[in-house]
Amino acid sequence: DTGVSQNPRHKITKRGQNVTFRCDPISEHNRLYWYRQTLGQGPEFLTYFQNEAQLEKSRLLSDRFSAERPKGSFSTLEIQRTEQGDSAMYLCASSPGGGANYGYTFGSGTRLTVV
Amino acid sequence: KNQVEQSPQSLIILEGKNCTLQCNYTVSPFSNLRWYKQDTGRGPVSLTIMTFSENTKSNGRYTATLDADTKQSSLHITASQLSDSASYICVVSPLNDYKLSFGAGTTVTVRA
Repeated sequence: DTGVSQNPRHKITKRGQNVTFRCDPISEHNRLYWYRQTLGQGPEFLTYFQNEAQLEKSRLLSDRFSAERPKGSFSTLEIQRTEQGDSAMYLCASSPGGGANYGYTFGSGTRLTVV
Repeated sequence: KNQVEQSPQSLIILEGKNCTLQCNYTVSPFSNLRWYKQDTGRGPVSLTIMTFSENTKSNGRYTATLDADTKQSSLHITASQLSDSASYICVVSPLNDYKLSFGAGTTVTVRA
């Protein structure tokens, strides 16, 4: 296991289409996070899973967004009826837990472009 | 208001020169402060992690400092290389909270 894996690396979609991204965390990590990052900004928190339970969703995550982690391993982030404002880098991270957040590791991200 | 502020927003330096990036934060209490390097189109990669009791941490040509009293941190890059061109993000981990607080990053461009 070499780290957090995200697929696809890039996605171009037409406005109104649905897209789904996948994240495979480090296998022994029970925490998984999704972030969104726009150009020139730091990552913004979207949602957090501990094992299969989604424990928090940011207000940034509109009704068009849904995330799952069905077996506590990989996670998917789906965006329905994409809008141009959804264009961003979507980052996944995982960590083994603990209050100090050591071992927090990011994936390489999925770059979404909505045209 | 963002709890982590970085400066400058961007800088350009010549290869071989040194530079220092600044980070001011208001997150309190915090567990640790990290500096990440993010290449264009890639995810952030951790450079250094310092607990509140540490003053300095080095990783090769990167040296981070932390003053928990003034809530300031810096990242010093020594003898810059073209591969140092990237965004450098200051991240604070609050105590007992899984959500990290991110700065907007400083974009460093190293020119030959």
